[in-house]
This record gives sequence, structure tokens and C-alpha cells, in this order.
Amino acid sequence: AQSVSQHNHHVILSEAASLELGCNYSYGGTVNLFWYVQYPGQHLQLLLKYFSGDPLVKGIKGFEAEFIKSKFSFNLRKPSVQWSDTAEYFCAVSGSGSARQLTFGSGTQLTVLP
Amino acid sequence: DAGVIQSPRHEVTEMGQEVTLRCKPISGHDYLFWYRQTMMRGLELLIYFNNNVPIDDSGMPEDRFSAKMPNASFSTLKIQPSEPRDSAVYFCASSGDGNSPLHFGNGTRLTVT
Repeated sequence: AQSVSQHNHHVILSEAASLELGCNYSYGGTVNLFWYVQYPGQHLQLLLKYFSGDPLVKGIKGFEAEFIKSKFSFNLRKPSVQWSDTAEYFCAVSGSGSARQLTFGSGTQLTVLP
Repeated sequence: DAGVIQSPRHEVTEMGQEVTLRCKPISGHDYLFWYRQTMMRGLELLIYFNNNVPIDDSGMPEDRFSAKMPNASFSTLKIQPSEPRDSAVYFCASSGDGNSPLHFGNGTRLTVT
């Protein structure tokens, strides 16, 4: 069974600080990887996705993530966070091809202080 | 594109009552998913449909939960009878094919007293 671990439950940063949120997954095959963001009171929105190709993926709002296959990791990064980045961030994995179930991590709450 | 539309946004009901949550997926999307989000368990997949057919309902917690998709533009998740531990935010999501990202609705916040 696939699983996703997000090690940081709550991260607090000041504006302009750099961000890295950890994500490790367990899956016995080719994977699709995703980061979703959930702003307070809103639904989940896709930040970025990795299916294949360049392991460094750029998403919306200046976010990027790097797929490191040997480490089973897909960490999310942003060089300089803003107050508006305050949200909960979810890493998710699915098997490629016909396996459509997304398995989500437990989420990381990011609080950016102005 | 209106996105995935869920109703109601909020539902407060008493234990033992029947609850029906509704979802309209994005037009043309062949996959529809129901997720439940709680503080304790995070996001859990309850069931998903492909072309209106339930494919995997192994996440449905109990027989009190049922889901239907009578056509490509409508799905319901029903809880009968409801219990306080069913209190959660229920999200519906849809996607276009086997590898497309999910598009989520705004969710229904269910409170069972």
C-alpha cells in the first residue's frame, strides 16, 4: 500500500524566509506526485505535479518541488515566502496509469508572520 | 468553467438523521471522488467513480454510508443514520482521465450533534 509522510506538522516563518517542506512516500512502482494547498476555509488547489521528465518541477506562485527517486522524496520549496502563503500544504502520491487513488500526507500547516 | 460544485456548504443535523451531500463534477470529467477531512485522520478517500460506475468503495467507513452517481453530472453521498463521529468536511473532486490532477469542490462541513 502506498503512504505519504510529511514530517513537519506546523512551520512558522517570517516573510521573506525560505521554505522547504518535506515529503517522503512509499510505493512499489512508478508514481505521480502532487502538492496541494488549502487556504483557510477553502478547498484544495493544485500547486504542482510530477509525472515524468525533469525532476525539478515548477508550480504556481513561485513554488517548486524536486523529485529524488533514490530518497523517495518530493520536497516543496519556495525561496521567499509571503504572508499570503499561510495555508496548509498536502503532499500526495498516486500510482501512474490506471491507479487513480491519491494518497495524501497528513499536511503541514504553514504560518507566515508579517 | 464553474469548477466542482458541492452543496450544501454547511450542514448541521442531529444524530440519527439522514444526511445527503451533493456534487456536480466538472463537465467532461470521467472520474469523481469523495474525500473526508478530519483533524484526526486527515484526508481519506471514501469512494471513487469512473464513468458513473463505482470503482473502489473500500474507504467507505460503514454501511451507513452510501454513494451514487446516477449520471455524469451528479453524485450524492448519503449517511443514514448520522452519528457525531461523522462530523467532518466532505470534499468532492473530479478529474479528466487516469493521470489528471484532481479538482476539488469547496467541501461540505457536516456537524452532527
